[in-house]
Amino acid sequence: DADVTQTPRNRITKTGKRIMLECSQTKGHDRMYWYRQDPGLGLQLIYYSFDVKDINKGEISDGYSVSRQAQAKFSLSLESAIPNQTALYFCATSDFGGGTGTDTQYFGPGTRLTVL
Amino acid sequence: GDSVTQMEGPVTLSEEAFLTINCTYTATGYPSLFWYVQYPGEGLQLLLKATKADDKGSNKGFEATYRKETTSFHLEKGSVQVSDSAVYFCALSSNTGGFKTIFGAGTRLFVKA
Repeated sequence: DADVTQTPRNRITKTGKRIMLECSQTKGHDRMYWYRQDPGLGLQLIYYSFDVKDINKGEISDGYSVSRQAQAKFSLSLESAIPNQTALYFCATSDFGGGTGTDTQYFGPGTRLTVL
Repeated sequence: GDSVTQMEGPVTLSEEAFLTINCTYTATGYPSLFWYVQYPGEGLQLLLKATKADDKGSNKGFEATYRKETTSFHLEKGSVQVSDSAVYFCALSSNTGGFKTIFGAGTRLFVKA
């Protein structure tokens, strides 16, 4: 079974609709992330959470919100979707390595979102 | 702030050719360095990492050496296969900003049979 799962895997919606993307993990990691991937732009960090009570904005948080319901669950919402939010969205967890400063990321399979 | 720069793609090679994908970084402190790979239709997965200067990370025939003097972490493989076709991301994590990971833009590799 996959350690990081995302639902749905594909979604087509219309401008102005509210959309929620869900992420669950069985790795037991405290840290969870949401990224957006656009062709040729690499990964852009939307939001991140270092534990259940800690939520932080990333570099492109406008138009998005998140909820950390439990250690294992981290949801991303688009309150009113717009076409330029069409992208591939990835959830990730990390096992922060303490004194070594090593923060290896583990990614879900992605959600392809199309906003018409 | 911290940043990662990697060579633009796509890179197209014939099977059994030698691969180099260049990566340089800017960071305060002492970052850990990573290469992630994304196969078609999948999420990124860790390929290799190095946590301090002069360390060499290796996996699946790929290697990269952490060069502090040139702030580089170039990815190499001696003989690529068609199955190596993917997008490769260089990344760093450092104690700046709470050890978040900074990714390069990715380099797409095509390997022809």
